[in-house]
Amino acid sequence: NAGVMQNPRHLVRRRGQEARLRCSPMKGHSHVYWYRQLPEEGLKFMVYLQKENIIDESGMPKERFSAEFPKEGPSILRIQQVVRGDSAAYFCASSQQGEGQPQHFGDGTRLSIL
Amino acid sequence: DQQVKQNSPSLSVQEGRISILNCDYTNSMFDYFLWYKKYPAEGPTFLISISSIKDKNEDGRFTVFLNKSAKHLSLHIVPSQPGDSAVYFCAAKFGAGSYQLTFGKGTKLSVIP
Repeated sequence: NAGVMQNPRHLVRRRGQEARLRCSPMKGHSHVYWYRQLPEEGLKFMVYLQKENIIDESGMPKERFSAEFPKEGPSILRIQQVVRGDSAAYFCASSQQGEGQPQHFGDGTRLSIL
Repeated sequence: DQQVKQNSPSLSVQEGRISILNCDYTNSMFDYFLWYKKYPAEGPTFLISISSIKDKNEDGRFTVFLNKSAKHLSLHIVPSQPGDSAVYFCAAKFGAGSYQLTFGKGTKLSVIP
């Protein structure tokens, strides 16, 4: 499967725990994006990364959320001390370099906070 | 503050007929528009895009029309098939150097056999 791979597909955490979401981009894609979707809403941009660099994190909450895309391995979205309001579907997308290149999405991680 | 609006939450169309999904935007700085289709429990799938320098782009059964003066775009699906039943999202991005997509809330299309 050459598509964007996200894991886990479902993640359940208790309030105060950490959530770690992983994303492997499509082969040949060097740009990774994270979006969050709340129920009955559209996807909301969180962060855009290239290898070892955060390019745009204007959509990330200022506290508890962080993202990385290391030289080796998948991109990670980390949420510390989760709260009920963090329950959502988190989607990762990737694209090739260049203007106008469409973003291709993974199937998402459904995060539920107990 | 919704910058990309899809005012119809749902749409039902008979198989074989045309489906028209609409999208309005408020920010004239958007220069590139995309449509995505999403099935339940899956990620959005890219369908078709259009640059602001064009007013039409066609790919098989899918055509996107852009009316810049009205800040309006539409996706036409002809002929509609039951497999087209899904939620359709309109997305937009700003000019050169921007990669952030701004999404509408989606329109659920049901194609009735």
